[in-house]
Amino acid sequence: QSALTQPASVSGSPGQSITISCTGTSSDVGGYNLVSWYQQHPGKAPKFMIYEVNKRPSGVSNRFSGSKSGDTASLTISGLQAEDEADYYCCSYAGSSSLVFGGGTKLTVL
Amino acid sequence: EVQLLESGGGLVQPGGGSLRLSCAASGFTFSSYAMSWVRQAPGKGLEWVSTISDSGGSTYDADSVKGRFIISRDNSKDTLYLQIKSLRAEDTAVYYCAKMGQYSSGWEFDNWGQGTLVTVSS
Repeated sequence: QSALTQPASVSGSPGQSITISCTGTSSDVGGYNLVSWYQQHPGKAPKFMIYEVNKRPSGVSNRFSGSKSGDTASLTISGLQAEDEADYYCCSYAGSSSLVFGGGTKLTVL
Repeated sequence: EVQLLESGGGLVQPGGGSLRLSCAASGFTFSSYAMSWVRQAPGKGLEWVSTISDSGGSTYDADSVKGRFIISRDNSKDTLYLQIKSLRAEDTAVYYCAKMGQYSSGWEFDNWGQGTLVTVSS
């Protein structure tokens, strides 16, 4: 199970929108609508942000949205805020009851 | 409120026996949800380790840990376990306990513990 590919870092100014990509294969991202996203602040546990590609759990801001095209999933954060600065991880079901994470993306709010 | 509290981490010598991590759950009906372990090496990303079904009857492991890690649960004690054998330096990580989702697929981690650090070093 190879890790999904995410950019190492992205940045944006407050109020702007950014998108983080997550590229896999037809065996994981492309094969199932089972991509989830997690936010992790330094020294903290991950927080659940998006499930099943584009669904938001209750309590997560609607500034966060997910999508997928082919083997690539994306997380978009609109109206960037300072508190959004964190690491973001995608995760996909990969068949045979297994899961695979992306390598993570560090978001910097300028 | 869902609470997951891991324990059992510490400093262990390479190859030195085994270690058992525990995760005490509260705030939800533990026996109704699959549970998982996810680890994070220092300065690195998240890695899925193992998942166990709600009843404990089915377990699933990452290829990297098959044969050395055993996930189990005691639904009478609302507790999840991870036994790690033949520890290696590359097992050094924070180990997180995570509750699997309540949504249609259940293949997401909707609540996480704070983690317990396992350090494998001589």
